[in-house]
Amino acid sequence: QVQLQESGPGLVRPSETLSLTCMVSGGSISLGGYYWGWVRQSPGKGLEWIGYIYYSGEVFYSPSLKSRLIISGDKSKNQVSLRLTSVTAADTAVYFCARTEVGASSPTDTWGQGILVTVSS
Amino acid sequence: DIQMTQSPSSLSASLGDRVTITCRASQTIRTYLNWYQQKPGKAPELLIYETSHLQSGAPSRFSGSGFGTDFTLTINNLQPDDYATYHCQQTYASPPTFGQGTRLHVK
Repeated sequence: QVQLQESGPGLVRPSETLSLTCMVSGGSISLGGYYWGWVRQSPGKGLEWIGYIYYSGEVFYSPSLKSRLIISGDKSKNQVSLRLTSVTAADTAVYFCARTEVGASSPTDTWGQGILVTVSS
Repeated sequence: DIQMTQSPSSLSASLGDRVTITCRASQTIRTYLNWYQQKPGKAPELLIYETSHLQSGAPSRFSGSGFGTDFTLTINNLQPDDYATYHCQQTYASPPTFGQGTRLHVK
């Protein structure tokens, strides 16, 4: 069974860079069939898709975050990373690592437990 | 972006009830609609994919229907474990977008 585990700082200063890592176990980011990426949820709000990466290296980003966002994969470590630059309080959220199936409705079938990141000075 | 609107935003129901949650898309999304269940402090879990397909392990009292812009999640014989927030998601067009969620609580 695939498991995803997020890690990274829980507090980031405004204007700095938010960096998170997702360790994947029980599955491989080097194989096709799934996208590996991120979804966030601001306190008391709905879910927001951030983006994902395919095993080929192709990345897909939310247009609203694209100018500040990099999602990358490290196949040797079987992990996916997120870097979001120039953060503001609006980036405060629980960040979920997520696996999305490639297919008709591309459901996100596996989620990490989530990590709360607060942007504050 | 395609806007997804769920109704109601909040819903109270009793054990054994039949519950219906609606999700409306701002444009057609054919059948590219998924439903997730989320409990407080937990990650969402996939419940139904492609409008009506029950995810492996999900209880059969959950069902989904719809096409185009209007979709429904139905829960038959509401159980204690069903009190949660439900999110719809469209994946017809990028970026994938979610509804604002429907919180189902005890009546």
